[in-house]
Amino acid sequence: EPEVTQTPSHQVTQMGQEVILRCVPISNHLYFYWYRQILGQKVEFLVSFYNNEISEKSEIFDDQFSVERPDGSNFTLKIRSTKLEDSAMYFCASSVGGRLMNTEAFFGQGTRLTVV
Amino acid sequence: GNSVTQMEGPVTLSEEAFLTINCTYTATGYPSLFWYVQYPGEGLQLLLKATKADDKGSNKGFEATYRKETTSFHLEKGSVQVSDSAVYFCALSAVTGANSKLTFGKGITLSVRP
Repeated sequence: EPEVTQTPSHQVTQMGQEVILRCVPISNHLYFYWYRQILGQKVEFLVSFYNNEISEKSEIFDDQFSVERPDGSNFTLKIRSTKLEDSAMYFCASSVGGRLMNTEAFFGQGTRLTVV
Repeated sequence: GNSVTQMEGPVTLSEEAFLTINCTYTATGYPSLFWYVQYPGEGLQLLLKATKADDKGSNKGFEATYRKETTSFHLEKGSVQVSDSAVYFCALSAVTGANSKLTFGKGITLSVRP
């Protein structure tokens, strides 16, 4: 069964460093997303991406964050100059269509980012 | 804005017990409602969904009914199994406006004892 894969499963980084979280969406999907969950809090939407551009982003997704689809298979989230409060579980997701009433978003297993 | 509120957890049940996990929502427009489940070491998986009022979503013995009058989407199962131990997330997606994202609740951990 096709699945969304994320690497690494756990990343520890020093405050101020840059990190790149990687995702391989399902191959025929066209819409890509990043969400995050700070421990004990809600899963929060960060950004959606379609046709090689950001289609929507939340207020969390400031200039510190960027996304890229560098080739035909990977979808990355870059966090520049990480802060302690960036520590969270980051989930990648993909879907065939953009209207989630008609299509399903498939999620990866998450990358746990710990900023020390 | 849109929001989802789930009951506080964790929840621990014995096998074959009845399960209810409460979920209420606030949304503009007419949202679609979802339950996602995350088994240990895996990603979030869609468990069931309902796209309009009074719809009932069902899967793997789980059910949830879209109640517009109470803005609720409570998850129920008549007889839980050990294999149902997981984290359960209620979510919504707005039909109008930004339809490309999910708004989630905090999630609740269910542990089922043999």
